[in-house]
Amino acid sequence: NAGVTQTPKFQVLKTGQSMTLQCAQDMNHEYMSWYRQDPGMGLRLIHYSVGAGITDQGEVPNGYNVSRSTTEDFPLRLLSAAPSQTSVYFCASSYGLQSSGNTIYFGEGSWLTVV
Amino acid sequence: AQKVTQAQTEISVVEKEDVTLDCVYETRDTTYYLFWYKQPPSGELVFLIRRNSFDEQNEISGRYSWNFQKSTSSFNFTITASQVVDSAVYFCALSLRPPWTSGTYKYIFGTGTRLKVLA
Repeated sequence: NAGVTQTPKFQVLKTGQSMTLQCAQDMNHEYMSWYRQDPGMGLRLIHYSVGAGITDQGEVPNGYNVSRSTTEDFPLRLLSAAPSQTSVYFCASSYGLQSSGNTIYFGEGSWLTVV
Repeated sequence: AQKVTQAQTEISVVEKEDVTLDCVYETRDTTYYLFWYKQPPSGELVFLIRRNSFDEQNEISGRYSWNFQKSTSSFNFTITASQVVDSAVYFCALSLRPPWTSGTYKYIFGTGTRLKVLA
């Protein structure tokens, strides 16, 4: 059972570099999202997608881009990394659009450090 | 306002003690879902339970139990006879339907409670 797969698990970037966090799910989920987790802040939504070709901003979208060309993949791009983007990133997916009760399944997290 | 509050930042207990993690939520919606997730030291987020707003029955699963009370907007989580393996950060989350018909739901997470179970 692959579920939600994120890569890389650990990454160190220099300020100003760009990179892409990959996320793939094999559960045919329509809804995918990216969260960041910071100490004392819980999980905050960066971007989400309700289906292929459709994305929207979450709570903290600045400095990040996403695209959803297929149902399975939802990469997160850091355009010009800043130390404030040092965080743990979680990709998540769930089935269905209109139901508010569907369980979110999370990837294992990506630890990103920007120096 | 829509919010989830986990006032306990960190709790330490000795193995075999019972412990309750508090979760208080705020919403004006009548239809919503509540969740608990566990984040062990390895970092992944593990789904524990989902409860909808129309079902106030308590849930028990092994050593875990959940007490949902709409009157106090709380969804508390109790671990009975805690074990070292229960050491983790626990997140409570609220899922809401958006006001727009074509929109999607959103999840609001609490800031988490770190539970340390000492041997």
